[in-house]
Amino acid sequence: EAQVTQNPRYLITVTGKKLTVTCSQNMNHEYMSWYRQDPGLGLRQIYYSMNVEVTDKGDVPEGYKVSRKEKRNFPLILESPSPNQTSLYFCASSFRQGGGYTFGSGTRLTVV
Amino acid sequence: AQSVTQLDSQVPVFEEAPVELRCNYSSSVSVYLFWYVQYPNQGLQLLLKYLSGSTLVKGINGFEAEFNKSQTSFHLRKPSVHISDTAEYFCAVDEGGTSYGKLTFGQGTILTVHP
Repeated sequence: EAQVTQNPRYLITVTGKKLTVTCSQNMNHEYMSWYRQDPGLGLRQIYYSMNVEVTDKGDVPEGYKVSRKEKRNFPLILESPSPNQTSLYFCASSFRQGGGYTFGSGTRLTVV
Repeated sequence: AQSVTQLDSQVPVFEEAPVELRCNYSSSVSVYLFWYVQYPNQGLQLLLKYLSGSTLVKGINGFEAEFNKSQTSFHLRKPSVHISDTAEYFCAVDEGGTSYGKLTFGQGTILTVHP
């Protein structure tokens, strides 16, 4: 089944403890992206990637890192999480320009 | 820079009534336009997209949208809604070209269908 898989689905962590949220797609998509969703703010893009080793900042990149060493994987790294990064995170991928993105099921992160 | 405004944060409607969810965007170039739906506790699902060509786009679940370049709008419509259409709907724009991948979303519209 074609899909975008994120792990974990739920995560509670403490301030300052490094964490990684994984994202993998099995559709051979070139484009991948991370978003955070907060009430009243919609989805805001954190980082996106146009292909292996090619990434760029979205609208809210501060406090996050990404890497794209393989086409299928696009992990999101929070090196020192803070409470304002408590949010619902989505990974998405797209085959071509204008194709529309396929979204993962989301990761609900709570930083205490 | 591109931006998207969804003009209604909440739209209540009765079952079998028509509905329109409004979306305006700003961009200096031609864009790709999308509508996504998010059901409670789920990810986003693509409803429809406008890339080029006909300004009336049909999507899944009986939804359609009309691209209006002069008004920079991309409003979503359904002639008769069902209870199962209750969800949050997001309009999104991508400028494409070398900027493809930089997808900007509106703030979302919560559609509530009452019996």
